[in-house]
Amino acid sequence: DGGITQSPKYLFRKEGQNVTLSCEQNLNHDAMYWYRQDPGQGLRLIYYSQIVNDFQKGDIAEGYSVSREKKESFPLTVTSAQKNPTAFYLCASSYGSGTYEQYFGPGTRLTVT
Amino acid sequence: AQTVTQSQPEMSVQEAETVTLSCTYDTSENNYYLFWYKQPPSRQMILVIRQEAYKQQNATENRFSVNFQKAAKSFSLKISDSQLGDTAMYFCAFCGGKLIFGQGTELSVKP
Repeated sequence: DGGITQSPKYLFRKEGQNVTLSCEQNLNHDAMYWYRQDPGQGLRLIYYSQIVNDFQKGDIAEGYSVSREKKESFPLTVTSAQKNPTAFYLCASSYGSGTYEQYFGPGTRLTVT
Repeated sequence: AQTVTQSQPEMSVQEAETVTLSCTYDTSENNYYLFWYKQPPSRQMILVIRQEAYKQQNATENRFSVNFQKAAKSFSLKISDSQLGDTAMYFCAFCGGKLIFGQGTELSVKP
């Protein structure tokens, strides 16, 4: 079955530690995205990648980093510089960037204490 | 900058009834797409329906339809014959290059 997987579903970390969230897709999509969702709010774009080995900052990139070494994978690292890392993180992909609809993974709930 | 506004934080509807969720947006672009996404308690974001701005005909997907008013920059979602499984957060989204989400409307379908 084609789809987007994110692992793990729940992640707990101590303050000051970097943590990497996984996102894999087998939809053969070129573009991939990372969003953050806080309680009672919509999604905010962290980073996106339109093609392998290239990515751009979104609206709230500070304290995050990404890589896109393979078309299928777009991992997100939440660094210790991110002031409020506890949130729900969603990965998405689309055939291309621009006006194509995005398909989402199941999300990872990160809790930092 | 583009913005998306959903003015109804919460709504409820009786099972089998019809409900309409509102969405307005602001943009100076002429070519864009609009989407409604559903986020049930599982938190998986599911695409419900899409509308291309160049199309005058309103999109429909089974029990879901939209009322797209381009001049008014309005994009409402109508859910007919509401079912308990429709209970979810609904997000309106605008895409003119980047996907921008509204704040969401929490819909409860009551038996």
